[in-house]
Amino acid sequence: GAVVSQHPSWVICKSGTSVKIECRSLDFQATTMFWYRQFPKQSLMLMATSNEGSKATYEQGVEKDKFLINHASLTLSTLTVTSAHPEDSSFYICSARGRQGVAGWAVNTEAFFGQGTRLTVV
Amino acid sequence: KQEVTQIPAALSVPEGENLVLNCSFTDSAIYNLQWFRQDPGKGLTSLLLIQSSQREQTSGRLNASLDKSSGRSTLYIAASQPGDSATYLCAVRRVQAGTALIFGKGTTLSVSS
Repeated sequence: GAVVSQHPSWVICKSGTSVKIECRSLDFQATTMFWYRQFPKQSLMLMATSNEGSKATYEQGVEKDKFLINHASLTLSTLTVTSAHPEDSSFYICSARGRQGVAGWAVNTEAFFGQGTRLTVV
Repeated sequence: KQEVTQIPAALSVPEGENLVLNCSFTDSAIYNLQWFRQDPGKGLTSLLLIQSSQREQTSGRLNASLDKSSGRSTLYIAASQPGDSATYLCAVRRVQAGTALIFGKGTTLSVSS
């Protein structure tokens, strides 16, 4: 199946600093990537949707200047949490959906998920 | 606005029991429905994907059904094992192309040996 690699898996940063999280599709072209956030014992909440080469679409209540999303290539999207604060501590996870894969299976109906990133801001 | 609800929030069963997890969604105009497994602090593992035109999907001891008109899905786990302990998430994808999944809060399952 399709593989989405997310890095880092966990990060601890000081309040006020910025953190970048990478999401890569390893064996298919991800035309659309989604970024979710999950607080403890809560569901995954969609933060933003990004299509390759265009600006991300943010969900209501998500600050686009704080959560910078770049999707400059068909295999890489990044989420940068700027000026992080303790309340930004959460589990961030990406998913990717794309074109026909190298292996021949259709990837345009499923979204494949990365392993997630546990962010702790101290 | 699509909302996904999962009942129960938590479930504890002894090993060997068959069990059913429930998922309901408010808008029946979905493209597909997907069940995931999430282990503590980990990402998601896709279990079953049901297209809107399908009624059920099976994989091993897992069987998922979909009744789109009533906005319901169930995940049936046969002969549960301690290794099945995890949180199970239900998610639906809206009809519009390129849309994200909308998740329920999940059911946390604990299977004791």
